[in-house]
Amino acid sequence: GIQVEQSPPDLILQEGANSTLRCNFSDSVNNLQWFHQNPWGQLINLFYIPSGTKQNGRLSATTVATERYSLLYISSSQTTDSGVYFCAVNGGSQGNLIFGKGTKLSVKP
Amino acid sequence: DTGVSQDPRHKITKRGQNVTFRCDPISEHNRLYWYRQTLGQGPEFLTYFQNEAQLEKSRLLSDRFSAERPKGSFSTLEIQRTEQGDSAMYLCASSLGQGVTDTQYFGPGTRLTVL
Repeated sequence: GIQVEQSPPDLILQEGANSTLRCNFSDSVNNLQWFHQNPWGQLINLFYIPSGTKQNGRLSATTVATERYSLLYISSSQTTDSGVYFCAVNGGSQGNLIFGKGTKLSVKP
Repeated sequence: DTGVSQDPRHKITKRGQNVTFRCDPISEHNRLYWYRQTLGQGPEFLTYFQNEAQLEKSRLLSDRFSAERPKGSFSTLEIQRTEQGDSAMYLCASSLGQGVTDTQYFGPGTRLTVL
């Protein structure tokens, strides 16, 4: 089945810094979502982005489907950005998402 | 739109007991998914429903697990004869659509601890 790899696994930033998180996938996809999992376990939708570029406030994402990767940019990070960021894809005929192992982000004040 | 809700949020049980979790999807969402997440890992797919029909089951879903979605509304996930390896966060998601391009929205999860 399709493989999803995220990097880096851990990231520590000072408040105000910018960061880029990467998601590589092993086959063509027709669904790609980025999520933020808060300390209580809730998965919060950030972007639905199987291709192209989207922006929402300090966050933006780009997916280059032909090269099988997606990037999540966080600018001017805040302590509330801390948590785990997951990339998830669906490449087959079923509806289930396949998740990477996540990037754990810690933003220090 | 009140979001996906799950109940209970936490469950502690003894090995060998049965447990049941409930998920209420976003109103009018026709697809409902169950995932399991263990510590340090991303969520893994268990099963999904389109309306009341259970269309796919993962190999992770042993015969001790059963899921239902009567009338295509809420869903329940039951685990019989729980084992310590069942300790995990159980997540429910829902979507509106007919295919793999749907955006899935997740509930807050039920954290299960098996002693």
